[in-house]
Amino acid sequence: GAGVSQSPSNKVTEKGKDVELRCDPISGHTALYWYRQRLGQGLEFLIYFQGNSAPDKSGLPSDRFSAERTGESVSTLTIQRTQQEDSAVYLCASSPRAGGRETQYFGPGTRLLVL
Amino acid sequence: AQSVTQLDSQVPVFEEAPVELRCNYSSSVSVYLFWYVQYPNQGLQLLLKYLSGSTLVESINGFEAEFNKSQTSFHLRKPSVHISDTAEYFCAVRGGSQGNLIFGKGTKLSVKP
Repeated sequence: GAGVSQSPSNKVTEKGKDVELRCDPISGHTALYWYRQRLGQGLEFLIYFQGNSAPDKSGLPSDRFSAERTGESVSTLTIQRTQQEDSAVYLCASSPRAGGRETQYFGPGTRLLVL
Repeated sequence: AQSVTQLDSQVPVFEEAPVELRCNYSSSVSVYLFWYVQYPNQGLQLLLKYLSGSTLVESINGFEAEFNKSQTSFHLRKPSVHISDTAEYFCAVRGGSQGNLIFGKGTKLSVKP
């Protein structure tokens, strides 16, 4: 079946502009996660959605970052007034349910470059 | 707070040699442990995971990892590597009821002929 998909695959933007990144999780997966991978760093957790519960936003680095998810489908991550330090690969993952035992399935990522 | 340390950022080895990629974690609660692999120009894929039971877990392509609670380690090993194993390997930890994974910074394995 189809895996997690993300769009765009690459995005180049100018400092100060807003960007929107999209994630389509695996059908039926109730949990969805956003991570960021900056050059030479591991993956940093950003935000997590589980069903209709309030999202866990504890990893968002600033109030310029926000994310939405409609039900158990598509999610969008929005970065307002982008800065050069926002340049990174943004990864989305989904899992059938929340909880420690579940495997997270990752999308290919969106490579964001802020000039 | 949980954290994961991968001590080696790069590990070069020759083909058919054994390899060990080290991973240590810190956590005050029971954890689940994962190794993910990222091949060049590809996304992250689960390699293996420890949830409970036998402390030795294996992947389908010959890698194994052993959960050592006393040493808080989950090192990844393979007795004989192939060129195709060249990739970046990430160790990750997750608490029982926690949503997100906590990742190490990754180890780049480079297998040379």
